[in-house]
Amino acid sequence: AQTVTQSQPEMSVQEAETVTLSCTYDTSENNYYLFWYKQPPSRQMILVIRQEAYKQQNATENRFSVNFQKAAKSFSLKISDSQLGDTAMYFCAFMTNTGNQFYFGTGTSLTVIP
Amino acid sequence: ETGVTQSPTHLIKTRGQQVTLRCSSQSGHNTVSWYQQALGQGPQFIFQYYREEENGRGNFPPRFSGLQFPNYSSELNVNALELDDSALYLCASSRSGKTPDEQFFGPGTRLTVL
Repeated sequence: AQTVTQSQPEMSVQEAETVTLSCTYDTSENNYYLFWYKQPPSRQMILVIRQEAYKQQNATENRFSVNFQKAAKSFSLKISDSQLGDTAMYFCAFMTNTGNQFYFGTGTSLTVIP
Repeated sequence: ETGVTQSPTHLIKTRGQQVTLRCSSQSGHNTVSWYQQALGQGPQFIFQYYREEENGRGNFPPRFSGLQFPNYSSELNVNALELDDSALYLCASSRSGKTPDEQFFGPGTRLTVL
């Protein structure tokens, strides 16, 4: 079974500062995919970044980057130069290489303070 | 390009009733997945439809059923509603039933069961 754990229910960061959201997961699979989704108050889930487990290089998308530690089964999200629009729930998600469903964590509520 | 749409936005039902939620997939997508997101939780996979056939199911009872139509839109039906069915129901569409195709989420339907 696949599980995803986000141990930080709430976090806050000053505008323009950097924040890191934590995620750990458990799986016996060797090939899989990891994702960070953002869910603003509008409720629509938006893909922030994704990482293929077979790639050693950490994924980056503009101000968003991940620290993927496969052996430790850790997948943290770093947001640089935080903006007010980054305020949202952030979900870490896992998908196996052969599966078709996401396994989501319980989310981290991030507030960017002006 | 039209995104994923869901209707209705909000719905209130009483225990024991039946409900139908609708999802229109993004243009060019032939796969629809449904998720249940209880308050304060991450989304949980209900099932997926690919080319009008069920293509995987999560740990939900048979009273949760679905359909996919030739235009790839989809319905989620829930019979004999229970109080615990109160949640945000999200659908997500993708281009194929294969991992790891990106899934695009709709804004969700908020179901309240009284």
